[in-house]
Amino acid sequence: GQQLNQSPQSMFIQEGEDVSMNCTSSSIFNTWLWYKQDPGEGPVLLIALYKAGELTSNGRLTAQFGITRKDSFLNISASIPSDVGIYFCAGQLPFSSNTGKLIFGQGTTLQVKP
Amino acid sequence: GAVVSQHPSWVICKSGTSVKIECRSLDFQATTMFWYRQFPKQSLMLMATSNEGSKATYEQGVEKDKFLINHASLTLSTLTVTSAHPEDSSFYICSALAWGSYNEQFFGPGTRLTVL
Repeated sequence: GQQLNQSPQSMFIQEGEDVSMNCTSSSIFNTWLWYKQDPGEGPVLLIALYKAGELTSNGRLTAQFGITRKDSFLNISASIPSDVGIYFCAGQLPFSSNTGKLIFGQGTTLQVKP
Repeated sequence: GAVVSQHPSWVICKSGTSVKIECRSLDFQATTMFWYRQFPKQSLMLMATSNEGSKATYEQGVEKDKFLINHASLTLSTLTVTSAHPEDSSFYICSALAWGSYNEQFFGPGTRLTVL
């Protein structure tokens, strides 16, 4: 089945540093999504990307939908302690055949040292 | 934004018993809901797609007789883990699909199931 390869698996950075993580896939997706999950909670949507090549920002977060529709990256600038958590990319399958199912990456665990 | 709730937030049960988890879309109607399972330090794995008024669609490897899904209304889907065993202990998360321009999925807060 479809798989998303997300890297890095974990990051331990100093407060104030920038962070970058990415996802690649062997399949084409119509939509790329980035989520953050805090311990014991459901994932929360950070950024949604709907068009190939699209670059979208949400505060200190920036994400891009790759031109090939098989990859995406997420950047976090000037990290702060509350950025700690697990970040997941997800690709949404076409609605025509898969009712918009999401395929999740393995996650990137981010730790920020104050 | 759209809100999805889950109940209970955590449950502990004895091996062999059945547990029901509810997923509700609070301020929108959802003809489609999804159920995920997440083991510690792992990603979310889709278990099944729940469709209002029809049978759920299960992912490969998920036992439909063990994980019963009922989507009886436009705002409620339930997942029943039948004859639970310790290996069923996991974090179960639902999401509800809000049809519209972007067909976004909104996630619930999750239910922690521990089977003793």
